Amino acid sequence: NAGVTQTPKFRVLKTGQSMTLLCAQDMNHEYMYWYRQDPGMGLRLIHYSVGEGTTAKGEVPDGYNVSRLKKQNFLLGLESAAPSQTSVYFCASSRGGTGSMNTEAFFGQGTRLTVV
Amino acid sequence: GENVEQHPSTLSVQEGDSAVIKCTYSDSASNYFPWYKQELGKGPQLIIDIRSNVGEKKDQRIAVTLNKTAKHFSLHITETQPEDSAVYFCAASIPQAAGNKLTFGGGTRVLVKP
Repeated sequence: NAGVTQTPKFRVLKTGQSMTLLCAQDMNHEYMYWYRQDPGMGLRLIHYSVGEGTTAKGEVPDGYNVSRLKKQNFLLGLESAAPSQTSVYFCASSRGGTGSMNTEAFFGQGTRLTVV
Repeated sequence: GENVEQHPSTLSVQEGDSAVIKCTYSDSASNYFPWYKQELGKGPQLIIDIRSNVGEKKDQRIAVTLNKTAKHFSLHITETQPEDSAVYFCAASIPQAAGNKLTFGGGTRVLVKP
């Protein structure tokens, strides 16, 4: 059982380059999330999705775009990378939302992105 | 929006001692408070959670307490072991029509010394 898988695990980008981070979950979860983790700041929500074909902005969405064309995949795109986007990115999924009992979020292993 | 403060940022304890991490939140509407453990090079993993209709919850050596009036909650780890060394995050979530948007604290790096 793979759970939540993120690709790639590491990446170095030059300022202005673009890239897409892929998140795949095999638990048939409805909800998926992208967080970034910076030292001393915990995890901050970038974008999230409540189901296939839906996306919504989180706390820090600027500079990122997302797509959820298939229920099992959630893509995070950086159109023009900036040094401020150097971070560790985590994808997560959950079966239900806060109003349900299935609120546990399962996280991937993370993608360490450096923008130079 | 919700704001979660977590203290301390680092905590060093002797093996066998207890460790306590405290969090405060700002939005009284928050009703779900999970704690995550993150080991080096891995993603966070849920270790215990509590809902606003419960004051305390225990699971073996870990326990969480919630004081809704004061808007703070705490993680207690008893009889600490070297494998408890990790970064711990608290989080809070406000009920919403959809989604489970967690607001995380800044994290506590716990080191258990043998």
